[in-house]
Amino acid sequence: GDSVTQMEGPVTLSEEAFLTINCTYTATGYPSLFWYVQYPGEGLQLLLKATKADDKGSNKGFEATYRKETTSFHLEKGSVQVSDSAVYFCALRDNAGNNRKLIWGLGTSLAVNP
Amino acid sequence: EAGVTQFPSHSVIEKGQTVTLRCDPISGHDNLYWYRRVMGKEIKFLLHFVKESKQDESGMPNNRFLAERTGGTYSTLKVQPAELEDSGVYFCATRGGSTEAFFGQGTRLTVV
Repeated sequence: GDSVTQMEGPVTLSEEAFLTINCTYTATGYPSLFWYVQYPGEGLQLLLKATKADDKGSNKGFEATYRKETTSFHLEKGSVQVSDSAVYFCALRDNAGNNRKLIWGLGTSLAVNP
Repeated sequence: EAGVTQFPSHSVIEKGQTVTLRCDPISGHDNLYWYRRVMGKEIKFLLHFVKESKQDESGMPNNRFLAERTGGTYSTLKVQPAELEDSGVYFCATRGGSTEAFFGQGTRLTVV
């Protein structure tokens, strides 16, 4: 079945450092790909998404490109801030059928120090 | 517009007791999902409602879990009797026809 593999954390960075969180997937169809973020004490929020190969999702300085050839959707940010400290989840959605449920990675905890 | 609201935010119960979690969706969202994250593991799909009907309940772990969505509005997820392995964070998400899913803050369930 479909699956998502995400790099394990925790990741600790200094402010203004470059961030990469790796995410690869296995899917039989043509899934949509997502990054969700959970800030401390809050719920899951959609950070960015991409619906087809070579699409780039971007939001709040974060980017991820849907790479079909490497089945990857790595999350990057050029300069992290303390406020980016959160847990980041990579997820995919099989677009066949009406369910549209999400398949999730383990989550990566990011701590950014001033 | 109010978001997805979950009650309670945190529940601690003893093994063998019953707990009921509630999710209030965004108004007009026909699709409602329950997910669960057990510590150290990935978030897992539990089930999907379309209005009051269960569209897919393939992720429900066993018959100790019962989900309802009477009238197609709020949903409840009851665990009876609770076991230690049921501990985790339970997320509810709702979706309109063409939107992505919006998530609630989750209910942290601790079974002791």
